Amino acid sequence: QKEVEQNSGPLSVPEGAIASLNCTYSDRGSQSFFWYRQYSGKSPELIMFIYSNGDKEDGRFTAQLNKASQYVSLLIRDSQPSDSATYLCAVRHRGNDYKLSFGAGTTVTVRA
Amino acid sequence: SAVISQKPSRDICQRGTSLTIQCQVDSQVTMMFWYRQQPGQSLTLIATANQGSEATYESGFVIDKFPISRPNLTFSTLTVSNMSPEDSSIYLCSVEEGLIPGFGELFFGEGSRLTVL
Repeated sequence: QKEVEQNSGPLSVPEGAIASLNCTYSDRGSQSFFWYRQYSGKSPELIMFIYSNGDKEDGRFTAQLNKASQYVSLLIRDSQPSDSATYLCAVRHRGNDYKLSFGAGTTVTVRA
Repeated sequence: SAVISQKPSRDICQRGTSLTIQCQVDSQVTMMFWYRQQPGQSLTLIATANQGSEATYESGFVIDKFPISRPNLTFSTLTVSNMSPEDSSIYLCSVEEGLIPGFGELFFGEGSRLTVL
């Protein structure tokens, strides 16, 4: 079983719509969760992190964490063509020497 | 966040040769890591670069193939030795920022794209 799983995508949404990205993880002791955006040919860019259950909002992005369900999501409101990228979910496990495990990523395409 | 500079940004290498990638950070950082991202794949941790001591390698990665140096808190190198086409990948330097090691956020350099012929 993979440690971090994401919707394989690709996810295509019209401009202005909400893009919803999902991520599940296997280690119940995981303590912190990250969303990275990676444009084609570029390195990953941190866009959100969340440590506590509930929602965390930053501009058009909202991260949602449910530790009981071992589930973290990212919502992108008012999607723009510039949001077209691959989104990587990363999870830090408790006692794992600070290491992050990354999901395979979900590719999002925002249609103008 | 810290500015992380990697070089080379890309290179084309011949089978059997070795290449060293440099990573320079504009501030002192405790935790520094090297990742690999193969074409169309996610990120895989190669090793944690430890300042003043041997790197800590992940399963499937060995020092003879990927020697790492970390002479100080702002600089590290990763060498890809005896390269084969399977080593064609993007190699990423990353640093953790935060007050407490293990509880901070991870940032990446621009990556070094290696193609092995």
